Amino acid sequence: DQQVKQNSPSLSVQEGRISILNCDYTNSMFDYFLWYKKYPAEGPTFLISISSIKDKNEDGRFTVFLNKSAKHLSLHIVPSQPGDSAVYFCAALSGAGGTSYGKLTFGQGTILTVHP
Amino acid sequence: KAGVTQTPRYLIKTRGQQVTLSCSPISGHRSVSWYQQTPGQGLQFLFEYFSETQRNKGNFPGRFSGRQFSNSRSEMNVSTLELGDSALYLCASSLGQGINQPQHFGDGTRLSIL
Repeated sequence: DQQVKQNSPSLSVQEGRISILNCDYTNSMFDYFLWYKKYPAEGPTFLISISSIKDKNEDGRFTVFLNKSAKHLSLHIVPSQPGDSAVYFCAALSGAGGTSYGKLTFGQGTILTVHP
Repeated sequence: KAGVTQTPRYLIKTRGQQVTLSCSPISGHRSVSWYQQTPGQGLQFLFEYFSETQRNKGNFPGRFSGRQFSNSRSEMNVSTLELGDSALYLCASSLGQGINQPQHFGDGTRLSIL
């Protein structure tokens, strides 16, 4: 039972344009969502997060949008740069009850390629 | 500020052996989580330790175990290794208290079983 899904295995974007990565979840208990970037031979790097009480969070070129009714979140990268080329993982946590601390549920990842 | 440190980076073992992996969290972080990454299953949660106690556990067999020391450093042990245990093992740390705490990952230990 895959509770977090990234349905696009890959995405190709031109430098300077917007990259939009999507993620869907099924568990309504999730209340904290994160995006990570991963390069080969390195661990995931934390990018940005959003709490379920918000619908948008921005940090520089990165914006995460959360649509709770649709159980959908997206990561926007504007403008995209060649250095953004990596695997992006969406992750979710059910932390409000205090019983799922530290237990991130990950999507399968989306390979982003930004062409110069 | 030093990040999460995992040792060793690479390990080769044979079936039936056991292995111990080590993780040093970011200073001040009291929660350490372990994940397994494989091409087929993606990133899967193994367990989480906080203040030397296992606070959460994923769906892995009892051959996978861990512990946490008083300085928050953690070790993960896998006994009776199987070919399917070949994977990248990632450790992540966070403050561990309150909600909405991002986890920060180490670069992992690549375990290969022959």
